[in-house]
Amino acid sequence: DVKVTQSSRYLVKRTGEKVFLECVQDMDHENMFWYRQDPGLGLRLIYFSYDVKMKEKGDIPEGYSVSREKKERFSLILESASTNQTSMYLCASRSGIHSGANVLTFGAGSRLTVL
Amino acid sequence: ELKVEQNPLFLSMQEGKNYTIYCNYSTTSDRLYWYRQDPGKSLESLFVLLSNGAVKQEGRLMASLDTKARLSTLHITAAVHDLSATYFCAVYTSGTYKYIFGTGTRLKVLA
Repeated sequence: DVKVTQSSRYLVKRTGEKVFLECVQDMDHENMFWYRQDPGLGLRLIYFSYDVKMKEKGDIPEGYSVSREKKERFSLILESASTNQTSMYLCASRSGIHSGANVLTFGAGSRLTVL
Repeated sequence: ELKVEQNPLFLSMQEGKNYTIYCNYSTTSDRLYWYRQDPGKSLESLFVLLSNGAVKQEGRLMASLDTKARLSTLHITAAVHDLSATYFCAVYTSGTYKYIFGTGTRLKVLA
């Protein structure tokens, strides 16, 4: 089975701090995603990466950046954390766009609190 | 813009009862997914529905897709406590990377 691992389950940061959320997948998937999950809003796409060093903005990229230097690793960066970025962050991956049912496999999530 | 609406948002039901969760979406889509999320945990894939009339079943859960009505249903038969979770549907269009998720249905099965 595909495993998607998010390095931090719970983080507490202060306003203005730089925050790194790491995600690693072990099945050689080309595509990786970062979502934000908030009650009543479902999952919203922050950024998508379709290959190494390639990225696309999702629906809510403001205040975030990403890095994909290696195929298995996709990092989400909050340059200057703000309280409205308190949320659950979910990483997901899938194999390339032309293969199979395109099911997303999710990591366990990183719950970030910004004080 | 593709929108996905689930209802109900909250569902409390007795063990042994049947119920249906509805997922409506606003424009044409190639695939529809159902996921389950337990509290504090990640989303787990339940079903992928690929064509009109598709029906998938696993245990007490059955999902169906009507692409003409832009509607998917997740039917729960004889609910048990272990089914308590939040269920999400998501739609996807081939050739894109966008999965649009519903807001989720929080299901609580009472013993």
